[in-house]
Amino acid sequence: KAGVTQTPRYLIKTRGQQVTLSCSPISGHRSVSWYQQTPGQGLQFLFEYFSETQRNKGNFPGRFSGRQFSNSRSEMNVSTLELGDSALYLCASSSTDLGEQYFGPGTRLTVT
Amino acid sequence: AQSVTQPDIHITVSEGASLELRCNYSYGATPYLFWYVQSPGQGLQLLLKYFSGDTLVQGIKGFEAEFKRSQSSFNLRKPSVHWSDAAEYFCAVGRDSGNTGKLIFGQGTTLQVKP
Repeated sequence: KAGVTQTPRYLIKTRGQQVTLSCSPISGHRSVSWYQQTPGQGLQFLFEYFSETQRNKGNFPGRFSGRQFSNSRSEMNVSTLELGDSALYLCASSSTDLGEQYFGPGTRLTVT
Repeated sequence: AQSVTQPDIHITVSEGASLELRCNYSYGATPYLFWYVQSPGQGLQLLLKYFSGDTLVQGIKGFEAEFKRSQSSFNLRKPSVHWSDAAEYFCAVGRDSGNTGKLIFGQGTTLQVKP
């Protein structure tokens, strides 16, 4: 099976802009989780989607949002970008609610 | 609340030497525990997992981990380290019915391998 794919791999944006990141889960996986990874804060959970519904959300401002499509592909959006949003954004998919997650290669977002 | 602590930020071992990376967790019941590895610029790769049963679990790349409930630990071990094992290692805990899809990660341990 193909692994989790994320596009784009790299992005450079300017403060105030918005950005959309895409994630395609492993075939058959219906749960998609998003994480932000920074050197200072480590890996932090953003949100999880299952069957097009957000089931869980981490402690991030409303500028961070996401959605999931009927084919389980997911997107996350960050509006009004801030310098502190520079990070590696990782997507993970899982076939079960509480099981292991399989990660994509991430999208490296740089905000200038 | 669940939490994970990896006491060692950075570890250096010689190639061929044994390795043990420490992980302590805080959780009321038996958690689901995971070890992931991340190479520079890459995503996380699952090394092994513990859900229940035998407390010694085997993973990929020759890694194993032992769950010790009494010590709230899930340490990762490898008998002989290879230069290609140099990477960052993350311990994670899951299994919270009110928190689907969420893993709590430790801060990570960077492994350097000396030739």
